[in-house]
Amino acid sequence: SQTIHQWPATLVQPVGSPLSLECTVEGTSNPNLYWYRQAAGRGLQLLFYSVGIGQISSEVPQNLSASRPQDRQFILSSKKLLLSDSGFYLCAWSKGKDYGYTFGSGTRLTVV
Amino acid sequence: GESVGLHLPTLSVQEGDNSIINCAYSNSASDYFIWYKQESGKGPQFIIDIRSNMDKRQGQRVTVLLNKTVKHLSLQIAATQPGDSAVYFCAENGDAGNMLTFGGGTRLMVKP
Repeated sequence: SQTIHQWPATLVQPVGSPLSLECTVEGTSNPNLYWYRQAAGRGLQLLFYSVGIGQISSEVPQNLSASRPQDRQFILSSKKLLLSDSGFYLCAWSKGKDYGYTFGSGTRLTVV
Repeated sequence: GESVGLHLPTLSVQEGDNSIINCAYSNSASDYFIWYKQESGKGPQFIIDIRSNMDKRQGQRVTVLLNKTVKHLSLQIAATQPGDSAVYFCAENGDAGNMLTFGGGTRLMVKP
């Protein structure tokens, strides 16, 4: 069966520090991968999605970037965090939009 | 689209009552719909889905109804329990690309 792993679960980082969040999927090949952000008490904001290695589409201009160095690995990064980058970050995978998404457990990022 | 900037509407129900959560979807081309449940601090979890060739689908204590004429989707939870307290998101597949479009979410609070 397929599983998705996302880490770390929580992270407290100072303003101006770098960020790297990792997401990996097991049990499938060539998944579509997604990064979402969720502010407290709000909906889901799509940040990036990828349909293959090295293929990244950005939905929202921001202080973040994403990379897909391997088929089942998706990384969310920042060179210098801002206070506004705080939030709950979710990774998801899909075989395609007609199959739904499976979400990871999320990373709670607090920038201080 | 996404309703990321809006505070979540809240539905408050008494334990044991039935809950109905509604969703108006936007794209008449959508033919696959999903309901997700997100508990506090966790990623959204798949509850139930429905394709456009059906107007009703039942799971364990949950029923999804689809009205394509008015582009309306609802999730019914029978005999609501405290463990049903969560945020519920609907999603549709109609937009171009490999992405689902999520609704803004509804917070369900179950009173004991």
